[in-house]
Amino acid sequence: GAGVSQSPRYKVAKRGQDVALRCDPISGHVSLFWYQQALGQGPEFLTYFQNEAQLDKSGLPSDRFFAERPEGSVSTLKIQRTQQEDSAVYLCASSLTSGRGAEQFFGPGTRLTVL
Amino acid sequence: GNSVTQMEGPVTLSEEAFLTINCTYTATGYPSLFWYVQYPGEGLQLLLKATKADDKGSNKGFEATYRKETTSFHLEKGSVQVSDSAVYFCALSLNSGGSNYKLTFGKGTLLTVNP
Repeated sequence: GAGVSQSPRYKVAKRGQDVALRCDPISGHVSLFWYQQALGQGPEFLTYFQNEAQLDKSGLPSDRFFAERPEGSVSTLKIQRTQQEDSAVYLCASSLTSGRGAEQFFGPGTRLTVL
Repeated sequence: GNSVTQMEGPVTLSEEAFLTINCTYTATGYPSLFWYVQYPGEGLQLLLKATKADDKGSNKGFEATYRKETTSFHLEKGSVQVSDSAVYFCALSLNSGGSNYKLTFGKGTLLTVNP
């Protein structure tokens, strides 16, 4: 069956450009998470959606980062006025339920390079 | 805050060797614990999990036991194969409010198994 997909897989942006990263979760999955993974590090939490509601955005590093999931399925992470420190792999994960121990299914990630 | 500390790599073993990757955690509650694996060119996938103390998670010959008294969740395999070469991430999840069970990851351990 189809897993979590993300697009584009690779994105190169010039500093100051805006970018939009897309996540298609597994159909029917209620919970959706975005993580940022710097080179050689583990993923770090950015934001969480339950259906269309963004319930936690405490991990977004600045107000240049914005995420939405308007219909409770596809989600977009937008970064405005990109900076070099935004270079990372952005991972999307979804889970069927939101309970303790629920498995999160990860997409392949979008590798963002800001020049 | 919550954190995960795992053994730094890289770890290089010969086929059929015994594997241990240490993982300890700090948490402000009673977390669920996970091991995720990232094979070359692929996304993160769940390897095993445990949701309460003394539980043992197991999959593909790998095992880890939730030790609350030592706040540890060490990953072990009795006989590794070349196909086990990957990056391994230890992670925890806690209820962060409402239904949010975001993951907190360690930095990852690169395992290379030589024939």
